[in-house]
Amino acid sequence: AQKVTQAQTEISVVEKEDVTLDCVYETRDTTYYLFWYKQPPSGELVFLIRRNSFDEQNEISGRYSWNFQKSTSSFNFTITASQVVDSAVYFCAFWMNRDDKIIFGKGTRLHILP
Amino acid sequence: DAMVIQNPRYQVTQFGKPVTLSCSQTLNHNVMYWYQQKSSQAPKLLFHYYDKDFNNEADTPDNFQSRRPNTSFCFLDIRSPGLGDAAMYLCATSRDSGTLRRETQYFGPGTRLLVL
Repeated sequence: AQKVTQAQTEISVVEKEDVTLDCVYETRDTTYYLFWYKQPPSGELVFLIRRNSFDEQNEISGRYSWNFQKSTSSFNFTITASQVVDSAVYFCAFWMNRDDKIIFGKGTRLHILP
Repeated sequence: DAMVIQNPRYQVTQFGKPVTLSCSQTLNHNVMYWYQQKSSQAPKLLFHYYDKDFNNEADTPDNFQSRRPNTSFCFLDIRSPGLGDAAMYLCATSRDSGTLRRETQYFGPGTRLLVL
């Protein structure tokens, strides 16, 4: 069965520090997709990135970067020079092409302290 | 801007009094989803519509129903809300592109339901 593990329940860092959110997944399938969503206090789930299993190229978007490593089944998310506005719950999610639903991790609550 | 809209953002209802939450989208996506999210938990899928085809999750209580009168709108009906149904309800949409059965799900802002 597929599973997504976000071992870090809660993280607090001081503004401008870098922070990495871990995501580990389990699957026997070769075709799948991984996502990161951000959920600020307002409640909306904001899509950040989608990566398919055949594309291990790391991605950078501004202060955000993602490291996908199939060898360790990990899809980690790093925020560089964190800001208070980055405070939110971050969900890693997994989806297989043949399934109707995506599987969410339990989320990591990130506090950026001023 | 194309988006997923949910109304109302906050809903208060009484124990046992039926309530309807609404979702609309301007993305023209053919798949619409309803999730329930309780405090400090991940979203839990209740059901989804693939066009007009309704797909219920096995563990979704019968108390929860849904309607999709057209592509743009989808409703969540809670027939007899209990205290345990207080949660955030999130609507999401995605596009079925054929070769890739489901694309990214885009979420609305959610409706927080309070049951008194």
